[in-house]
Amino acid sequence: DTGVSQDPRHKITKRGQNVTFRCDPISEHNRLYWYRQTLGQGPEFLTYFQNEAQLEKSRLLSDRFSAERPKGSFSTLEIQRTEQGDSAMYLCASSLQAAPGAEAFFGQGTRLTVV
Amino acid sequence: GDSVTQMEGPVTLSEEAFLTINCTYTATGYPSLFWYVQYPGEGLQLLLKATKADDKGSNKGFEATYRKETTSFHLEKGSVQVSDSAVYFCALSEVSGSQGNLIFGKGTKLSVKP
Repeated sequence: DTGVSQDPRHKITKRGQNVTFRCDPISEHNRLYWYRQTLGQGPEFLTYFQNEAQLEKSRLLSDRFSAERPKGSFSTLEIQRTEQGDSAMYLCASSLQAAPGAEAFFGQGTRLTVV
Repeated sequence: GDSVTQMEGPVTLSEEAFLTINCTYTATGYPSLFWYVQYPGEGLQLLLKATKADDKGSNKGFEATYRKETTSFHLEKGSVQVSDSAVYFCALSEVSGSQGNLIFGKGTKLSVKP
């Protein structure tokens, strides 16, 4: 397994357009997380899945954001009607379980620029 | 809510200098604590972790001790190398019920000069 992979690595879009990102977690990991990271800040939690169930959403996840994880494997994060404030690095992470200290493995992220 | 505060950078050191990056946390329960590192052009990687009070995490010469009395998890290394130049993030994870997501500090950029 090559780790967590995200696609695309970079995305430039015009304001108002919809964008979709994909994350492929490590295959046996049942937890999948989405984070957003802006310049000079640490990653901020957006949402997570346990298998195919979306168990928590941050208040940062506005109605324009939707995430899915069909069949508990890969996940997609869609942003509708993008705004300039959506420009950020979107990180995906996966872990085997939520035991104390369970390591989350991160992908390299998708950098979104909204112009 | 839970939060993590770490010293602001950037931090610039000469090779073989001693490194300390301070990290304190606020949490209602008993979190696990982590240091993640992000090397230039790469994704976040776990550097070390501690899951209960007085635990010491260590890896690649870096150490951090979980201090419940001071709610701290300071990162230290006795002799830094140029290859340690990266951004370091302190994080906590509250594992209760269906939780488990990480809460990160803002990151500290370390530059080590030869």
